[in-house]
Amino acid sequence: DQQVKQNSPSLSVQEGRISILNCDYTNSMFDYFLWYKKYPAEGPTFLISISSIKDKNEDGRFTVFLNKSAKHLSLHIVPSQPGDSAVYFCAARGTDKLIFGTGTRLQVFP
Amino acid sequence: DVKVTQSSRYLVKRTGEKVFLECVQDMDHENMFWYRQDPGLGLRLIYFSYDVKMKEKGDIPEGYSVSREKKERFSLILESASTNQTSMYLCASSPGNLNTEAFFGQGTRLTVV
Repeated sequence: DQQVKQNSPSLSVQEGRISILNCDYTNSMFDYFLWYKKYPAEGPTFLISISSIKDKNEDGRFTVFLNKSAKHLSLHIVPSQPGDSAVYFCAARGTDKLIFGTGTRLQVFP
Repeated sequence: DVKVTQSSRYLVKRTGEKVFLECVQDMDHENMFWYRQDPGLGLRLIYFSYDVKMKEKGDIPEGYSVSREKKERFSLILESASTNQTSMYLCASSPGNLNTEAFFGQGTRLTVV
């Protein structure tokens, strides 16, 4: 039972444009959400997070939006850069562990 | 600087071998986790620990065990390695405060032949 879902396995975006990565979750008890970025042969690195008491959090080119009623969050990257090409995982904190989605591979092309 | 170190980047083991994956963190974090990453399946939690000598099963604990004798060290043990345990293994740690991020090691690519 996948509690955190990323339904798009891949996304291709032109450099300079906006990248939007989506994530859905099923458990309304989740109260903290995170996005991680992962390059091949490296561990994931933390990108940005949002508490369930907020609906938006922004950090430079990265913005995370949370829609609790729809149990949906999204990561916006603008403008997208070639160095953003990686796999992005969303995660939700349930009690004392992080539950991850299946990941979306973002490719930013020139 | 935050540091989670996994003992090996790449390992090749034979079917039936006992395999130890070691993870050390230098941040005095209470929580430590072992995940495996497989294509199309994301990161799946194997085991986690919220204190020394404490362990909890994650979503896929079968075929694995763990040990946490010291706060900074969390070991994953494959009792009898099988080919379906070929994967990328990722260790992570986080403070006891729930609303903070977890920090990951660089990963161990294990191949069981």
